[in-house]
Amino acid sequence: DAGITQSPRYKITETGRQVTLMCHQTWSHSYMFWYRQDLGHGLRLIYYSAAADITDKGEVPDGYVVSRSKTENFPLTLESATRSQTSVYFCASTGTGGIGELFFGEGSRLTVL
Amino acid sequence: AQRVTQPEKLLSVFKGAPVELKCNYSYSGSPELFWYVQYSRQRLQLLLRHISRESIKGFTADLNKGETSFHLKKPFAQEEDSAMYYCALRNYGGSQGNLIFGKGTKLSVKP
Repeated sequence: DAGITQSPRYKITETGRQVTLMCHQTWSHSYMFWYRQDLGHGLRLIYYSAAADITDKGEVPDGYVVSRSKTENFPLTLESATRSQTSVYFCASTGTGGIGELFFGEGSRLTVL
Repeated sequence: AQRVTQPEKLLSVFKGAPVELKCNYSYSGSPELFWYVQYSRQRLQLLLRHISRESIKGFTADLNKGETSFHLKKPFAQEEDSAMYYCALRNYGGSQGNLIFGKGTKLSVKP
């Protein structure tokens, strides 16, 4: 299907484990973003990417790693999950030089026990 | 620093009543502002952006630079408007393309 998809949609893991959240878009958008959504905080930017092989930190990058070897994929890895990383994670993308509308994935709900 | 403030966490109105979701921003230049909506169990989607000056689903929002506000309004709320609403400001410093979001307001429209 065309669009932006995330997987898994739901994940339960334990403290200290590595978790990777996948994000795939079919529009060939240059810009991709990872946000986390928490009650009382709204959406906060974790990492973003302006193009393949170009990534940069957002507001809350600690504990996360990203890569972007292909334009269409932007995986987010929690190298050693902590309870404070329990959240809903949203991937988003935009083209048009980064000034257009953000298109969001359906979100990945992660619980760290 | 750029910032978006949505003072109400929850707004509850009856069907047919007017609704106004408040948004204030902090930015010294010409802002680019958006409203995003998230219906239950759905992804965030753009509701409207100030540069387009259009009305979507009966909602409008006017940029008031003097008050640094971008409040979202609808004259007659419908039950299907119940959702989470986020105001967002284009980030001009740092992560190009990024939006800075407010904390969101949950709108509940009662029958």
